[in-house]
Order: sequence, then C-alpha cells, then structure tokens
Amino acid sequence: GAGVSQSPSNKVTEKGKDVELRCDPISGHTALYWYRQSLGQGLEFLIYFQGNSAPDKSGLPSDRFSAERTGGSVSTLTIQRTQQEDSAVYLCASSPGSRTGANVLTFGAGSRLTVL
Amino acid sequence: AQSVTQLGSHVSVSEGALVLLRCNYSSSVPPYLFWYVQYPNQGLQLLLKYTTGATLVKGINGFEAEFKKSETSFHLTKPSAHMSDAAEYFCAVSGADKLIFGTGTRLQVFP
Repeated sequence: GAGVSQSPSNKVTEKGKDVELRCDPISGHTALYWYRQSLGQGLEFLIYFQGNSAPDKSGLPSDRFSAERTGGSVSTLTIQRTQQEDSAVYLCASSPGSRTGANVLTFGAGSRLTVL
Repeated sequence: AQSVTQLGSHVSVSEGALVLLRCNYSSSVPPYLFWYVQYPNQGLQLLLKYTTGATLVKGINGFEAEFKKSETSFHLTKPSAHMSDAAEYFCAVSGADKLIFGTGTRLQVFP
C-alpha cells in the first residue's frame, strides 16, 4: 500500500479482555516495528520483525504481550488480560532495509488503546 | 548502548521567532541521527536525518539540524516559527536494529 495502515484507530476495552492490533506495512518493506507511546514517556520500543522472524523482542513489557507477522507482511500485536497501564497509542512502522542504520522508518497513524 | 536526551519537554515561541529544540545523544559507534515530527492525531513523519558527510542537515518545512560530535548534540532549529509548526518533535538515534527515541518536545507557537 501507499503507507503504513493500522487498525483499529481507536479501541476501548475492559480490564481483563484481550485485544488485537493490526499493522499493514508498506508493500516490499522487510522490516516492521512496534512502538508504544504513553503520555510523557516518549516512544517505547516493543518488537522488531525482519521478514516473519523477530530478532529483537526485548521491549515487550510482559508475557501478556505477543506479536506475529505472517507472509512477510501483516503483523498483529496481541495484548492478553489487558490492564489499565496498557492504555497508550501503539505505533507501527516499516522500513525497506534489513538493518535500521540509515533506513527511514515510515509510521502508521497508530492505534489508541484505552483500558477501562 | 545508544540513547538520546531531549532537553525541555515543552518549548513555547512567538510566531516569527527562532525555534531551537535540543537533543544530545550517546553512542558507542558513529551515530545515525533523526528528527521526527508528530502532528496531533497523526503518526510520526521524518523531518531530517544525519548519516555521514555534511554535518549541517536540511529538512522539510525549513528545519535544519547540526551534528556536533564534540558536543554529542544534534539540535533542531528553524529561523522563523509558523503557527503550523506546533507539534511534538522527537529526536532518535539508530541502534543495531531499531530507532531509539527521546521523550519528545512539544512546541507551542503563539501569535
């Protein structure tokens, strides 16, 4: 596609429910990233995919968080048993290269998650 | 390990005044440095990047940044602020396989 597409744009859920957030990267981009943006916290790295594998998942905050990528394209971030502290904007980005280096990340508009 | 520090979570300027947003980095290898901008309810957009070569980098919308190795800085400037520049600005340094972002600086522009 022309840009990085994320859905849903907004999600309100009750504490304890599971949520899935989807990212559709730019066609042909091999690298895909998930970040979390909370008030006053900047952008927190969650996980990086190269193709379908995740060489760096060091930023996932707990085992309630998981992500997968299929067909070298679409990625899904799943949060199980959501907690109020999971409320944030989840940003997805993609880039064409195999290593970040000078590659520019293109971001989606984000999925705003609110846990009541 | 790489990191960035953005000094000042909020900066306010008058329209037409100089914009200066500060960023200092820490890196054990020659860094690649980036500035991104986020307008309300939008994703991040690249303003400019430094990889190698010329230390003064020009970006979109009249912004520029200068890489100063001796000061480990990559401050963002614009000579004359416009109302449309009101946004949040993020400095970032490249790690091995990801970008590491600062906590952001919110720029307010007053008429």
